Amino acid sequence: DTGVSQNPRHKITKRGQNVTFRCDPISEHNRLYWYRQTLGQGPEFLTYFQNEAQLEKSRLLSDRFSAERPKGSFSTLEIQRTEQGDSAMYLCASSLGGVMNTEAFFGQGTRLTVV
Amino acid sequence: TQLLEQSPQFLSIQEGENLTVYCNSSSVFSSLQWYRQEPGEGPVLLVTVVTGGEVKKLKRLTFQFGDARKDSSLHITAAQPGDTGLYLCAGTFPDSNYQLIWGAGTKLIIKP
Repeated sequence: DTGVSQNPRHKITKRGQNVTFRCDPISEHNRLYWYRQTLGQGPEFLTYFQNEAQLEKSRLLSDRFSAERPKGSFSTLEIQRTEQGDSAMYLCASSLGGVMNTEAFFGQGTRLTVV
Repeated sequence: TQLLEQSPQFLSIQEGENLTVYCNSSSVFSSLQWYRQEPGEGPVLLVTVVTGGEVKKLKRLTFQFGDARKDSSLHITAAQPGDTGLYLCAGTFPDSNYQLIWGAGTKLIIKP
């Protein structure tokens, strides 16, 4: 399977705990995106990487959120001191980037429930 | 700031009926994509349109890109329950570093 892989698929955590999600993009894709999605809504942009560089971060993103892509391959998204409002589906996508190659391929997501 | 508006937000119809959903922007798209998402899964790419006036067909789905490249439509003929899902459009714009900008989606339910 050469698609985008996300782990874990589901995570239940207590409020105040830290959580970390992992995304493995399609190997030749240089762009990697993190989105958050709540029920019935479109994906909300969080951040994206071009190779290992984090080029943009949503202004709505709390400083409790941090993402890394240390070697330009897999990426991690960490949420510190989780709150109930963080409960959502966290989606990762990758693409080749550029004008004609922005088609994004998504993983199955990580569903986070903060109790 | 580019915004994508999708309409309707919600649509529930009977199997066999036809439907059209829309995606509009006040800015000119560089490219536009349609995705379909089922509950608990990530969005899956259906089509990419780039040229104004372009029409693409995918079985019973017909995608049209407006001549001015500011709008797009998705038409489904003889809808089936398997078409149920969230239909999302996403576009790129020249001044957004070609990052995808997403609409909020149209939730489609096809009743048997």
